[in-house]
Amino acid sequence: GQNIDQPTEMTATEGAIVQINCTYQTSGFNGLFWYQQHAGEAPTFLSYNVLDGLEEKGRFSSFLSRSKGYSYLLLKELQMKDSASYLCAVRNTDKLIFGTGTRLQVFP
Amino acid sequence: GAGVSQSPRYKVTKRGQDVALRCDPISGHVSLYWYRQALGQGPEFLTYFNYEAQQDKSGLPNDRFSAERPEGSISTLTIQRTEQRDSAMYRCASSSRDQRSWRYNEQFFGPGTRLTVL
Repeated sequence: GQNIDQPTEMTATEGAIVQINCTYQTSGFNGLFWYQQHAGEAPTFLSYNVLDGLEEKGRFSSFLSRSKGYSYLLLKELQMKDSASYLCAVRNTDKLIFGTGTRLQVFP
Repeated sequence: GAGVSQSPRYKVTKRGQDVALRCDPISGHVSLYWYRQALGQGPEFLTYFNYEAQQDKSGLPNDRFSAERPEGSISTLTIQRTEQRDSAMYRCASSSRDQRSWRYNEQFFGPGTRLTVL
């Protein structure tokens, strides 16, 4: 079976740091993606991990532990525009299996 | 350059009618994917193509759903005899599969077609 779990909602304050966790159990694994989706818009790519460890890209970092079936997305120096849904997706062969997404609200 | 485009952006139809949703991928992208997204949920995989070949259609809910990509570019997702439960956002994505780029797996999503079945 395929199971990807993320918290449904999170809140944080502008300027703070937030960590969004994702755990997965899938029949196959060829990498893990994080996408950002603003309300009413298409998902846009944030990060891709295929090996264990941390990938850093500016204010965003993503971590993967394949043995634990675990990933997190770390957002630093939060801005109001970071209010969006964050989707964790496991690549299984060529298709993406998405979690339900975490809706993040950033308050001033 | 132009991104993934989809048409129509909105489609309202009556139960029992057939609908065809179109996806125009980024020029040169080899792979094309169809997803369905319910409100407040992540996209759900339906099917995908490499060039004109349908590689995986395991996510299509039933035989009323079909997809084609006859010339390896534009794709059409067809839903026959629509039902109210088919109402959703249908999204298309494409990727280049150029392994020279570490982001070769990245899927670029289109704006979607919002389908409402009355």
